Amino acid sequence: DTGVSQNPRHKITKRGQNVTFRCDPISEHNRLYWYRQTLGQGPEFLTYFQNEAQLEKSRLLSDRFSAERPKGSFSTLEIQRTEQGDSAMYLCASSLGTSGGKETQYFGPGTRLLVL
Amino acid sequence: GENVEQHPSTLSVQEGDSAVIKCTYSDSASNYFPWYKQELGKRPQLIIDIRSNVGEKKDQRIAVTLNKTAKHFSLHITETQPEDSAVYFCAASRGGTALIFGKGTTLSVSS
Repeated sequence: DTGVSQNPRHKITKRGQNVTFRCDPISEHNRLYWYRQTLGQGPEFLTYFQNEAQLEKSRLLSDRFSAERPKGSFSTLEIQRTEQGDSAMYLCASSLGTSGGKETQYFGPGTRLLVL
Repeated sequence: GENVEQHPSTLSVQEGDSAVIKCTYSDSASNYFPWYKQELGKRPQLIIDIRSNVGEKKDQRIAVTLNKTAKHFSLHITETQPEDSAVYFCAASRGGTALIFGKGTTLSVSS
């Protein structure tokens, strides 16, 4: 499968614990995006990377959230001191570039987080 | 920042009818407008997209129109089939940056 992959697919944790999710983009895609989706809503942008550089962070991304893409390939999203309001589907997407058809974002299957 | 409004939130049609979903955006610098289909428990899948230098684009039963002056774009599905039933999201972005999504339209096609 050469699409975007995410691990784990499901995560249940207790409030206050830290969790980390991983995203592997499509090979050669230099842009990687993180979104959060709650039930009945559209995906909400969190942050994105061009190679290893984090270019933009949403105001939704509190200081408990941190994302990295250390070698410009896979990315991790960590949530510290989880809260029940963090329960959501965390989606990763990747794209080849910024224009001429390269800006199409392809989504992974998501990681569903439940905070008890 | 960008804001995308999508209507209607639910749409029920009979098989074979047409379906139209409309979106408006606020950022005049947005130049890329994709549409995604999401089935229950699945990832969003791109079905069609349009760029600001084009007014209309068609792919078989699916078409998208863009009015830059009015800042709105629409998805048209003709000859709907039960397998078209899903949630559809419009989005807008300055190409390559964050996609700002609408709240979605749940389309139900009954046979």
